[in-house]
Amino acid sequence: EPEVTQTPSHQVTQMGQEVILRCVPISNHLYFYWYRQILGQKVEFLVSFYNNEISEKSEIFDDQFSVERPDGSNFTLKIRSTKLEDSAMYFCASSYPTGSSYEQYFGPGTRLTVT
Amino acid sequence: EDKVVQSPLSLVVHEGDTVTLNCSYEVTNFRSLLWYKQEKKAPTFLFMLTSSGIEKKSGRLSSILDKKELFSILNITATQTGDSAIYLCALTGSARQLTFGSGTQLTVLP
Repeated sequence: EPEVTQTPSHQVTQMGQEVILRCVPISNHLYFYWYRQILGQKVEFLVSFYNNEISEKSEIFDDQFSVERPDGSNFTLKIRSTKLEDSAMYFCASSYPTGSSYEQYFGPGTRLTVT
Repeated sequence: EDKVVQSPLSLVVHEGDTVTLNCSYEVTNFRSLLWYKQEKKAPTFLFMLTSSGIEKKSGRLSSILDKKELFSILNITATQTGDSAIYLCALTGSARQLTFGSGTQLTVLP
């Protein structure tokens, strides 16, 4: 069964460093998303991506964040200068629109620890 | 702002019990309501509901949506220890992104 994959599973970085989180969505899916979950808190939407551009983004997704689909299979989230509060589990998701509703399938996540 | 409220926050039952998890919501333009199971890491898709009164069923799990009263329930019958997880309710409204509730932590004791 096709699935969303993410690498790395765990990333430790120092404050101020840049990190790139990688995702390979399900191959025939058209919409791609990043969510994050700070320990003990709700899953929060960051950004959605369709047709090679950002379609929606939340208030969390400020200028420190960027997304890219560099080669038609990978979907990346870059954090330019990490802060302690960026420590969270980051989930990638993808969906193939059926009608007006969109089932989203999640990857296993990358745990980002900023020290 | 879209909002999802789940109850109870946590629930402890014994194997064989039946549980009902609740999800109420506020949304500007309803598109769909989704249930996910989160064990250790990623939310795993369970159901997507778009129409009122139509039960979705998968094995011992079932779910139904009431768009008039703005809630959904997830039922699990004959619970097993493997059902222990956080169950997440999420909503899509005008935008395609999911708005999640806080989840219900279900613990099934042997």
